[in-house]
Amino acid sequence: QKEVEQDPGPLSVPEGAIVSLNCTYSNSAFQYFMWYRQYSRKGPELLMYTYSSGNKEDGRFTAQVDKSSKYISLFIRDSQPSDSATYLCAMRTNDYKLSFGAGTTVTVRA
Amino acid sequence: DAGITQSPRHKVTETGTPVTLRCHQTENHRYMYWYRQDPGHGLRLIHYSYGVKDTDKGEVSDGYSVSRSKTEDFLLTLESATSSQTSVYFCAISGLPGQGPSGTGELFFGEGSRLTVL
Repeated sequence: QKEVEQDPGPLSVPEGAIVSLNCTYSNSAFQYFMWYRQYSRKGPELLMYTYSSGNKEDGRFTAQVDKSSKYISLFIRDSQPSDSATYLCAMRTNDYKLSFGAGTTVTVRA
Repeated sequence: DAGITQSPRHKVTETGTPVTLRCHQTENHRYMYWYRQDPGHGLRLIHYSYGVKDTDKGEVSDGYSVSRSKTEDFLLTLESATSSQTSVYFCAISGLPGQGPSGTGELFFGEGSRLTVL
C-alpha cells in the first residue's frame, strides 16, 4: 500500500465548475500538507500548504486537512481553463522529505 | 522563479551506457533532491543531499548514485542505464523549515530532464 493515495483521474469539468481533489494517507506522523500544481512539461510549483488540521483559503483555492480521517482535499472554485494542470498532494513529517501522491490531471473546458 | 537549472533537458541513450544529470542552483539552499516522475507513480525520491558531501538514499535509489561537491551542484549518475530508468527526472531544492514564503521549507523544482533509454 502506498503511503499517499491519490486518484489520478483524469478529471474534466466545464469552466466555472468547482473542482474537488483529494488524497488519503496512512502515516499519522505527517504534519505538513501541501498541494503542488504542475503544468505540462514543467516542474511542480507549490500552490497551497497547511500545517496540521484545518482549512486554508487563498482566492479561489481552499485546502482542507482532516487528520482524524487521514484525508486532505483541495477545492477550486469558479474554475478557469488556466487551471488545467496536474495537481499533486504532498505531505511530510518533521524531516525534509516529501511524500507525493500520484497526481490528478484536471482539464477545464472553455 | 527559483534559480534551478537542470542539464541536459532531453537525452536519449542506449542500455548499458552511463548517464549523468546535473542540477545547478543559485539560491544557496542546503537541501537538494532528485526525483523521478512516472505515470501512475507520481514523484518518487531517488536521493537527496543535506549538505556538501552529505547524501542519503530515497525510496527508489537502486541503480543511481549522486554526488555533491559544491553547495550549488548536485549530480545524479546512472552507472549503467536500463530501460526501466526511462523517466522524467526532477531536481528540487529547499531551505530549512521556517524558510521560504510558506515557512515550511517548501520544495522548488527545476524544469525536468527527460531521459529515454533504448
